[in-house]
Amino acid sequence: GAVVSQHPSRVICKSGTSVKIECRSLDFQATTMFWYRQFPKQSLMLMATSNEGSKATYEQGVEKDKFLINHASLTLSTLTVTSAHPEDSSFYICSAARDSSYEQYFGPGTRLTVT
Amino acid sequence: AQKITQTQPGMFVQEKEAVTLDCTYDTSDQSYGLFWYKQPSSGEMIFLIYQGSYDEQNATEGRYSLNFQKARKSANLVISASQLGDSAMYFCAMSAPLNRDDKIIFGKGTRLHILP
Repeated sequence: GAVVSQHPSRVICKSGTSVKIECRSLDFQATTMFWYRQFPKQSLMLMATSNEGSKATYEQGVEKDKFLINHASLTLSTLTVTSAHPEDSSFYICSAARDSSYEQYFGPGTRLTVT
Repeated sequence: AQKITQTQPGMFVQEKEAVTLDCTYDTSDQSYGLFWYKQPSSGEMIFLIYQGSYDEQNATEGRYSLNFQKARKSANLVISASQLGDSAMYFCAMSAPLNRDDKIIFGKGTRLHILP
């Protein structure tokens, strides 16, 4: 149990376009989901914390107008990279936490390449 | 402020040997959790082991054990009888306070190479 999926796994888009990444908890309800970004050979950096039904909390330095997060249900959170630029190319990973568990369950990640 | 330090950017270990990956942390909170995650080349994050700050015994999960030394703020991961499949990036992480809604802070990671 406790499976988190992400879609798409890879996406290539042109500069200036927007890309939506979905994060789903498949077999549990996740009140809170987290979005991370990882540059090559570096650690994960938390971008934002997403709570169902409320606005996401962004980490310092993360542009909320550029990285739109929607947590519409207890099983789905989306990250939209708006007007993507090459510097947004990165590996984006989501995680979800369920009640009574200290563990965050990570999705498989989405590789975004902006050309 | 919370901080996780992993001082070994890379390690090479012979197969079947035991491995210790270092992790030190800094926090002013009394209640916190410590995690280790494995990230293979495919990118997914795999949870390995968890230690609560109030747990008196070191956590163990199969071949993984966490050497928790609270006074030294150290949470080293020990992998016994290493296998080729253990080659991956390993991240030490901390959450505080002990609440799933709180964010997890990651160290920079250690890349482990298991040699045949």
